[in-house]
Parts: sequence; structure tokens; C-alpha cells
Amino acid sequence: DGGITQSPKYLFRKEGQNVTLSCEQNLNHDAMYWYRQDPGQGLRLIYYSQIVNDFQKGDIAEGYSVSREKKESFPLTVTSAQKNPTAFYLCASSPGTSGRPIQETQYFGPGTRLLVL
Amino acid sequence: AQSVTQLDSQVPVFEEAPVELRCNYSSSVSVYLFWYVQYPNQGLQLLLKYLSGSTLVKGINGFEAEFNKSQTSFHLRKPSVHISDTAEYFCAVSDSSASKIIFGSGTRLSIRP
Repeated sequence: DGGITQSPKYLFRKEGQNVTLSCEQNLNHDAMYWYRQDPGQGLRLIYYSQIVNDFQKGDIAEGYSVSREKKESFPLTVTSAQKNPTAFYLCASSPGTSGRPIQETQYFGPGTRLLVL
Repeated sequence: AQSVTQLDSQVPVFEEAPVELRCNYSSSVSVYLFWYVQYPNQGLQLLLKYLSGSTLVKGINGFEAEFNKSQTSFHLRKPSVHISDTAEYFCAVSDSSASKIIFGSGTRLSIRP
């Protein structure tokens, strides 16, 4: 089955610790995205990547970092600089074949819930 | 700058009743509009999208939405809801010059038997 997987489902972070959230897709999509979801605020874009080895900051990139070394993988690191990391994190991908991947249908993974100890 | 407003944070309806979830947007150029659904503790799934053409868009699970340019609205409707439609619904907007989709704050649809 093609799709997007995120792991782990739940992640606990200690003070001052960096943690990495995994996102893998086997849809052969070029574009990938990371969103943060907080109650009552909808989704906010953290980072996105339209092609391997390239990525762009979204609206709330401070305290986060990403890499895109492989087409199918787009891991997100929540650094110690992110002072309020508790949230639900969603990864998504889109084909990226239209030249305007942001307008394409985005396919979402099941999410990772990050909690601070 | 683009923005999207979902006017109701929660909408309770009885099973088999019709429902309308409201969405208004602001944008100075031609827009692309989306409705996504999120079931509890899951990711989002596309219900339908408007890119161009007919202003009435039909989606999955019996949902439809109408693009109204003069009222800058893209309301989501279903003539008869089922318990399985209980979820959070997100309206989103983008345009030809944008590099991202802007999501609304969501509307939680709860179905009463």
C-alpha cells in the first residue's frame, strides 16, 4: 500500500533535548511538508521541500530543522530552541508535477504527538 | 495577504439532518480552495477542491461545496449526515502567486443520534 508513515506516534522530550520526528512516503512524490497543529489554531507550516536537497522555511520555522537527503524521507528535528514544542505534528506530500506543488492535493500521514516531560 | 475564516468552531447536528460548514476567505487574486477532513488522532484527508471551472464542486462521502466569488465564500454542505461524519473539517486557500496553503482554524462536526 502506498502512503505516508510517521513515527513515533507519541514522543516525549526532556528539557534541553533535541528530538527527531520521522516521515517516510512511498508515493514517489517530489514535494513534502511539515505542519504543526495546536488546538483551535488549525495547521501552521513549519518547513517544506519541493525537491531533494532543497527546502524552504514556512511560517514558524524557528526552533526546527529539516533535511531532505532522499526523495522518500523528510525528518523534522525539534531543537532545544523551540520553547513550546507540545503539539501534534503532521507530515504531508504532494506529487509536485504541476510546477505549483502547493496547489496540489496534499496527502497526510497519521501524525506524531510531541509532549514535554 | 491571504486568510481564511471558519465561522463556527463547533457544529452539532442530528443524524440524517443536513449540514453546512461555513468558510470565508480573503485574497486579492484568483484563488484555489480546499476542504480537508480530520478524523480523531489521524492526519487530514482531502474532501474536495476548487481550482477553476464549475463553481459547484462534488467531493467524497457525499459532500459538496460552492465557490461564491462575490461573497468570497466556499461553504461545505451535505444533505444528510451520518455518525461516521463526526470529525474536524478544515477549509484552506491558496493562489497562483502563493507558495503555501493557508488553513482555517477548523470546525468540529458532532453528530447526535
